[in-house]
Amino acid sequence: EVQLVESGGGLVQPGGSLRLSCAASGFSFSNHWMSWVRQAPGKGLEWVAYIKKDGGERYYVDSVKGRFTVSRDNAKNSLYLQMNSLTVEDAAVYYCARATVTTHYYFDYWGQGTLVTVSS
Amino acid sequence: EILMTQSPAILPVSPGEGATLSCRASENINSNLAWYQQKPGQAPRLLFYGASTRATGIPGRFTGSGSGTEFTLTISGLQSEDFAIYYCQHYYIWPPRLGLFGGGTKVDIK
Repeated sequence: EVQLVESGGGLVQPGGSLRLSCAASGFSFSNHWMSWVRQAPGKGLEWVAYIKKDGGERYYVDSVKGRFTVSRDNAKNSLYLQMNSLTVEDAAVYYCARATVTTHYYFDYWGQGTLVTVSS
Repeated sequence: EILMTQSPAILPVSPGEGATLSCRASENINSNLAWYQQKPGQAPRLLFYGASTRATGIPGRFTGSGSGTEFTLTISGLQSEDFAIYYCQHYYIWPPRLGLFGGGTKVDIK
């Protein structure tokens, strides 16, 4: 059974940092692109960052470039998101999502999310 | 940047009735579109990719269609578990890249 379990969310002050983790199991982690998708309270979905199978390519939404870093450790079946210089606009539930990239590109498994609150 | 516009924002439907949700792309995206369903307090669930290919376990009352710039998600005979928010998202095949999500359509009980 595919499982994605996020951790690391919490309350942080504006300008602070957090590191999110996603522990993957039940599939060959190193064979999948992975992504972080967030959802601000009462808002829609927004992909934040995604990373190629071997970590060789990483992409970010413009609003987090230079502040967030996505990484992975295939030996530990884990995905990470280092978030620096957080603002109130970054407050959201952050989902870890497995991407299947073949002739299409879609998220076929999602974690339950971890809540990031940015407030003074 | 290709923008995705979903309509309506809210769709009131009576149980047992059908629903038609629209997703429009600002440019031609061929069939590079996925649909997701999200229920309150839950993570999204994949419904379709390639605009019309049903994901594993998705009931046949859900149909995805369209290509180019106009896409439709049709739900026939709505059941209680179908009341949710539905999002479309486009993607690029090569090189593989993600596109934006639409703003979502909430299917509400009438």
